Amino acid sequence: EPEVTQTPSHQVTQMGQEVILRCVPISNHLYFYWYRQILGQKVEFLVSFYNNEISEKSEIFDDQFSVERPDGSNFTLKIRSTKLEDSAMYFCASSAQGDQPQHFGDGTRLSIL
Amino acid sequence: AQRVTQPEKLLSVFKGAPVELKCNYSYSGSPELFWYVQYSRQRLQLLLRHISRESIKGFTADLNKGETSFHLKKPFAQEEDSAMYYCPGGGNNRKLIWGLGTSLAVNP
Repeated sequence: EPEVTQTPSHQVTQMGQEVILRCVPISNHLYFYWYRQILGQKVEFLVSFYNNEISEKSEIFDDQFSVERPDGSNFTLKIRSTKLEDSAMYFCASSAQGDQPQHFGDGTRLSIL
Repeated sequence: AQRVTQPEKLLSVFKGAPVELKCNYSYSGSPELFWYVQYSRQRLQLLLRHISRESIKGFTADLNKGETSFHLKKPFAQEEDSAMYYCPGGGNNRKLIWGLGTSLAVNP
């Protein structure tokens, strides 16, 4: 069964540094999402992406965040200048259509020191 | 504001006992509700969606619009059902709103 893959599984970065989290959505999917989960808290929506542009973003997704689909397979989340409070599990998801269920990757654990 | 509430952080039952994981929602319009499960060291996996009205691994969930609930039920719990369960809701904008999740422990 096709899966969403995320790399790396764990990323440790110094505060203030840039970080890029990578995702390869399922190949025939058209809608892509990023969520995050701070330890002990709810999963929170960050951004959705369709047709090479952001469909919706949350208040969390400020100017420090950006997403990109640089080629036909990767979907990346960049945090320009990381803060301690960015430490969380980041999940990528994709769906075939907007009304279809979202399929999740294993997540990337981001630790900011 | 759109909100999903899972009131139980932890639910512990014995093998063979019935289990009900509670989920309440607050949504404007017609939400679409799901149950996702996360087994230990595995990814979030779709278990059910309310429009499908199907039974997966013996689990069922019925949308009760009057009570704004979408509780997950199974008549006889198995040890392999031990996992974290989430019931996110989605609207027309497709983003999923999540509750805190319920950790189900099925004891032998």
